[in-house]
Amino acid sequence: DAGITQSPRHKVTETGTPVTLRCHQTENHRYMYWYRQDPGHGLRLIHYSYGVKDTDKGEVSDGYSVSRSKTEDFLLTLESATSSQTSVYFCAISAGLAGGIGEQYFGPGTRLTVT
Amino acid sequence: GESVGLHLPTLSVQEGDNSIINCAYSNSASDYFIWYKQESGKGPQFIIDIRSNMDKRQGQRVTVLLNKTVKHLSLQIAATQPGDSAVYFCAEKGLGSGNTGKLIFGQGTTLQVKP
Repeated sequence: DAGITQSPRHKVTETGTPVTLRCHQTENHRYMYWYRQDPGHGLRLIHYSYGVKDTDKGEVSDGYSVSRSKTEDFLLTLESATSSQTSVYFCAISAGLAGGIGEQYFGPGTRLTVT
Repeated sequence: GESVGLHLPTLSVQEGDNSIINCAYSNSASDYFIWYKQESGKGPQFIIDIRSNMDKRQGQRVTVLLNKTVKHLSLQIAATQPGDSAVYFCAEKGLGSGNTGKLIFGQGTTLQVKP
């Protein structure tokens, strides 16, 4: 398995509180991604990073922010958690071959419940 | 906008039979496609990929077929085993993603293997 860990693996939090999820990789891959997975929606990209301090928005970025201060760590922050952000969150990494071709490797996921 | 869809949410097959999972995509300019397998409680796992300059690619017990004329992708699993039971996602390289490797995922097909 690719060296990707996510923490925490499970979290329950209250509406309005900030939450930070961490993704850590040992592969030294350039690209990192945060997805959420919900029934009926598959995997949707929240934010991604193409290098240290280089990030951009995905298709469902509202209410989320990210930071990448080191190659190995990519943090996802829910600034003020809402019940609609209850989901399973996956981090993925990619070596990023030329032309954007190349598979992404996924972490084990974080199950977040906002009450 | 872009969308990737699978024809059937659930597919049930007998152990030992061949399975065919289908996927339709909307972006005729997509040049890269991937299939992932997701077992319960785990992150998606890369199975096989194909570039648009190919019609067919084979792996171990799996074959991906690409029909660009009708924008259709299929995953064939030979001699399906109980361990193949999972949710299968197709994904395409996102429009305008450049070198970022961004993927658009379909909603998934659940493969159930009957003993």
